[in-house]
Amino acid sequence: AQSVTQLDSHVSVSEGTPVLLRCNYSSSYSPSLFWYVQHPNKGLQLLLKYTSAATLVKGINGFEAEFKKSETSFHLTKPSAHMSDAAEYFCVVSEANNEKLTFGTGTRLTIIP
Amino acid sequence: ETGVTQSPTHLIKTRGQQVTLRCSSQSGHNTVSWYQQALGQGPQFIFQYYREEENGRGNFPPRFSGLQFPNYSSELNVNALELDDSALYLCASRGTGPFGTQYFGPGTRLLVL
Repeated sequence: AQSVTQLDSHVSVSEGTPVLLRCNYSSSYSPSLFWYVQHPNKGLQLLLKYTSAATLVKGINGFEAEFKKSETSFHLTKPSAHMSDAAEYFCVVSEANNEKLTFGTGTRLTIIP
Repeated sequence: ETGVTQSPTHLIKTRGQQVTLRCSSQSGHNTVSWYQQALGQGPQFIFQYYREEENGRGNFPPRFSGLQFPNYSSELNVNALELDDSALYLCASRGTGPFGTQYFGPGTRLLVL
C-alpha cells in the first residue's frame, strides 16, 4: 500500500524568504512522486513530478524537490517566496504507472508581506 | 489551463436524491479518474475508466458509478445521496505514455442537505 505524510498542515513564511514543505512517503514499489498546488476556487495544478530519473526535480514557478530514498522523503523547496505562492500544496504518490494517485492531507502556505 | 472542464460548478441536493456530474477530458486522453475532496482533506480516488471500462476503484460503495464515452467525456453518478457526500468532486484525464501526467478539472462542489 502507498501513503504520504505531509508533516506540516500550515507553513507561514515572509515574502522573499525560502520555502520548505515536508513530505514523507511509503510505497511497496518504486514510486512516482508529485507535488500539486491548489489555489482557492481553482483546480489542481502539477508543480513537478519524479519518475525514477534525476533525484533533484525542477518544476514550475521556481519550485524544486529532491527524492531521497534512504529517508523516504520528497520535500518541496523554493529559494524565495512570492505572494502568489500562497495556496494549498499536496504531496502525491503513485505506484501503478501514474494511475491511482494517493494524496497527502495538504499543507497550507501563507506568505507574510 | 489544463483543458479539462467540469459541469456544473456548484450543485445542491437533498439526502436520498441522485446526482450526475460531468467531465470533458483533453482530446486523445483515454483515461479519466474521479476524486472526492472533502473539506480540509486531500482528494481521494473514487475510480478510473480506460476506453469506456472501469479498471480501478478506491474504497467507495457501489452507489458511486461512472460512464466514459468515446468523445472523451465522462460522468460520475451518485445514488442515494448522504450528507457525507458533500465535497468537491474532481476529474482528471491522463496523458499518453508510461508516465502520463494527470490533468485536473476545476471540480464540482456538491452540497447535500
